[in-house]
Amino acid sequence: AQTVTQSQPEMSVQEAETVTLSCTYDTSESDYYLFWYKQPPSRQMILVIRQEAYKQQNATENRFSVNFQKAAKSFSLKISDSQLGDAAMYFCAYRVEYGNKLVFGAGTILRVKS
Amino acid sequence: ETGVTQTPRHLVMGMTNKKSLKCEQHLGHNAMYWYKQSAKKPLELMFVYSLEERVENNSVPSRFSPECPNSSHLFLHLHTLQPEDSALYLCASSQGQLNNNEQFFGPGTRLTVL
Repeated sequence: AQTVTQSQPEMSVQEAETVTLSCTYDTSESDYYLFWYKQPPSRQMILVIRQEAYKQQNATENRFSVNFQKAAKSFSLKISDSQLGDAAMYFCAYRVEYGNKLVFGAGTILRVKS
Repeated sequence: ETGVTQTPRHLVMGMTNKKSLKCEQHLGHNAMYWYKQSAKKPLELMFVYSLEERVENNSVPSRFSPECPNSSHLFLHLHTLQPEDSALYLCASSQGQLNNNEQFFGPGTRLTVL
């Protein structure tokens, strides 16, 4: 069975600085997708960034980028130039290539200090 | 309304009550999901509906009964719940089994069972 582990229950970052959230996963599949979701205090979860396992290039969305290490089964999220609005719970998630079942990690609470 | 909506946003019920949670998606998607989010635990997938048919039941107790009357609406009927069922219940939708189908989440219903 696939599992997703987020080893940092909480992280803090100073506004305008950079923070990296860790995620590791376990799977025997070779083709899959990885996601980072953000859940602000209002609770509406939104997709931040996604990575296809067959792509070697790390995904980037504005200030958000990932470091995808397929052999190590690691998928970290880097947030550059942190803003107060980045404060939220961040979930790492995995999905097989064909299917709609997402497997989530336990989440990391990110606090942004002004 | 846009996206995925859920009602009610908050619900308090006794163990002998019967209540229903409602989810509606306005995105034209054909797959819908129920997740349970408990404190300090990964999101747990409960049910998946694809084209109005239940395709996954993740060993959920029978006191939770889903219903998907059409592709836009999803219900979760609750009866004789236990205090440990108190959690945030999230609904999501996606466009079927496309390779990169993103799941869009609703704001959730905060359920408290007394």
